[in-house]
Amino acid sequence: AQSVTQLDSHVSVSEGTPVLLRCNYSSSYSPSLFWYVQHPNKGLQLLLKYTSAATLVKGINGFEAEFKKSETSFHLTKPSAHMSDAAEYFCVVSSNAGGTSYGKLTFGQGTILTVHP
Amino acid sequence: DGGITQSPKYLFRKEGQNVTLSCEQNLNHDAMYWYRQDPGQGLRLIYYSQIVNDFQKGDIAEGYSVSREKKESFPLTVTSAQKNPTAFYLCASSRRRQFNTEAFFGQGTRLTVV
Repeated sequence: AQSVTQLDSHVSVSEGTPVLLRCNYSSSYSPSLFWYVQHPNKGLQLLLKYTSAATLVKGINGFEAEFKKSETSFHLTKPSAHMSDAAEYFCVVSSNAGGTSYGKLTFGQGTILTVHP
Repeated sequence: DGGITQSPKYLFRKEGQNVTLSCEQNLNHDAMYWYRQDPGQGLRLIYYSQIVNDFQKGDIAEGYSVSREKKESFPLTVTSAQKNPTAFYLCASSRRRQFNTEAFFGQGTRLTVV
């Protein structure tokens, strides 16, 4: 079984300040982890992914995430927020279990990021 | 440009009607998926297909049906048996259903029951 918990449903920051979106996961197998971003009434766009290579993963638009196995975390960060970063962010874990669960994506509940001028 | 096209963007359905949501991809992906998104609930898997003429139920398949007659197309029918169909529906595809392969998403269809 696998699960994802996004620890904050809403995060509010000022433009130019750091962003931290927190994600904890649970997986019986070595996971692959993803962060997606969704702007209102749009589809999801991949920001970055971790697939058992380097634990610090760099993505698009200045975002990065660090895989910490001991803490079962995959937090998303950005040094300086921009107004265009305002959106909803989803942390996703993919199953490496066998059978019909293989490759199944489990989504967190989402974190809405608000950026103030 | 390669991508996933969902249509229509907005859809209104009367009680008791079936409606079909279109999803087409030109990425040459083998796997395709349908998700339902409700506020505060993340995305939930309705159906997925790994190859043509084969598909599997996801977590919330009741009241929905799909077909996969062509690699490029994976339409979703919301039947009258779906008790609460108002939601945002997202189609996705991936090269194959594999644990380290990311999915690509369409722009979504917002379905409203009137």
